[in-house]
Amino acid sequence: AQKITQTQPGMFVQEKEAVTLDCTYDTSDPSYGLFWYKQPSSGEMIFLIYQGSYDQQNATEGRYSLNFQKARKSANLVISASQLGDSAMYFCAMRLVGTGNMLTFGGGTRLMVKP
Amino acid sequence: GAGVSQSPSNKVTEKGKDVELRCDPISGHTALYWYRQSLGQGLEFLIYFQGNSAPDKSGLPSDRFSAERTGGSVSTLTIQRTQQEDSAVYLCASSFRFGAGYNEQFFGPGTRLTVL
Repeated sequence: AQKITQTQPGMFVQEKEAVTLDCTYDTSDPSYGLFWYKQPSSGEMIFLIYQGSYDQQNATEGRYSLNFQKARKSANLVISASQLGDSAMYFCAMRLVGTGNMLTFGGGTRLMVKP
Repeated sequence: GAGVSQSPSNKVTEKGKDVELRCDPISGHTALYWYRQSLGQGLEFLIYFQGNSAPDKSGLPSDRFSAERTGGSVSTLTIQRTQQEDSAVYLCASSFRFGAGYNEQFFGPGTRLTVL
């Protein structure tokens, strides 16, 4: 069975600095997708970025980038130039391709941006 | 366009009562998912529907939980004889289709269920 681990329950970052949120995963399936979602205090889940297991390049979306290290089974999210609005819970998730399309989520990291 | 909507946004019920939670997916999305977010268990998959195929119920925690999707659109999650451990936020998500490749799931705002 697949598993996602986020080892940082909470993190602080200074406004305008970069921050890395860790995510490791475990699966024996070669085909999978990795997602990061942001959940502000309002509760909605906001999609941030996606990385496919066969993608050769690290995904980037604006200030978000995914540091994908396949051999280490890690998919860390990097947020550049942190903003106060980045304060939220961040979830890493994995989907196995070809099986049930459900997401398996990590436990989340609460990011707090200090002014 | 409209996103995924869920109703009610909050539901307080007494232990032993049945509850129904509703999800309206994004128009055109053929896949629909239910997840549960609770303090002790994090985010858990419950059930998903893809088109007219039989749903994947592998995440349902007990036979008190059931879900249906009518006409390939609206879905209702029913919890019978609610227990206090059912208290959680129930999230619904939809996506274009099941299968290979990038397939983002769009989440609704959730229904916060409190069982007294």
